[in-house]
Amino acid sequence: DQQVKQNSPSLSVQEGRISILNCDYTNSMFDYFLWYKKYPAEGPTFLISISSIKDKNEDGRFTVFLNKSAKHLSLHIVPSQPGDSAVYFCAASESTGNQFYFGTGTSLTVIP
Amino acid sequence: DTEVTQTPKHLVMGMTNKKSLKCEQHMGHRAMYWYKQKAKKPPELMFVYSYEKLSINESVPSRFSPECPNSSLLNLHLHALQPEDSALYLCASARGDNEQFFGPGTRLTVL
Repeated sequence: DQQVKQNSPSLSVQEGRISILNCDYTNSMFDYFLWYKKYPAEGPTFLISISSIKDKNEDGRFTVFLNKSAKHLSLHIVPSQPGDSAVYFCAASESTGNQFYFGTGTSLTVIP
Repeated sequence: DTEVTQTPKHLVMGMTNKKSLKCEQHMGHRAMYWYKQKAKKPPELMFVYSYEKLSINESVPSRFSPECPNSSLLNLHLHALQPEDSALYLCASARGDNEQFFGPGTRLTVL
């Protein structure tokens, strides 16, 4: 049973525009969320995180929004750049646990 | 040193071979993980070590055998693998505030 879902397998965006990647989760005990970026044949790279005490976290061009009531988080990339083209995974965990649950990923293509 | 290293980068083995994957981190992290990732799929958790003790084994077949010799090292011993075990094997470590650091992975091909 997939506890973390990314319903859009792929997304294409023009360079300079905003990319919005979405993630939904089902377990209300999750209180820590991560976004990873992954290039082909490489390990995932940590991008940005958010804990459930916040509803927004910003780091440069990347902002993550958390809507706890909807069990939904999103990653905004502004402005999008060709180098952002990669697969993006969201992951969730309970702060008391060791295990992370990953979404299935969204492949982002930024068109020059 | 803020990275997780994995060796080898690539490994090709036959179904009768015995080989080992190695992972190392010097960030003082007390949790270490093995993940298996197939193409275009999210990483699947295999094992978690917490303070050098195996804390989670996600029903992984016994042909995969993890070992944590000390707090900086994590091994994955492989024996009698099947072609469907071909994948990218990722090691990760975490400090306890949940953020995971991933290694670059070992690309394993089983012939």
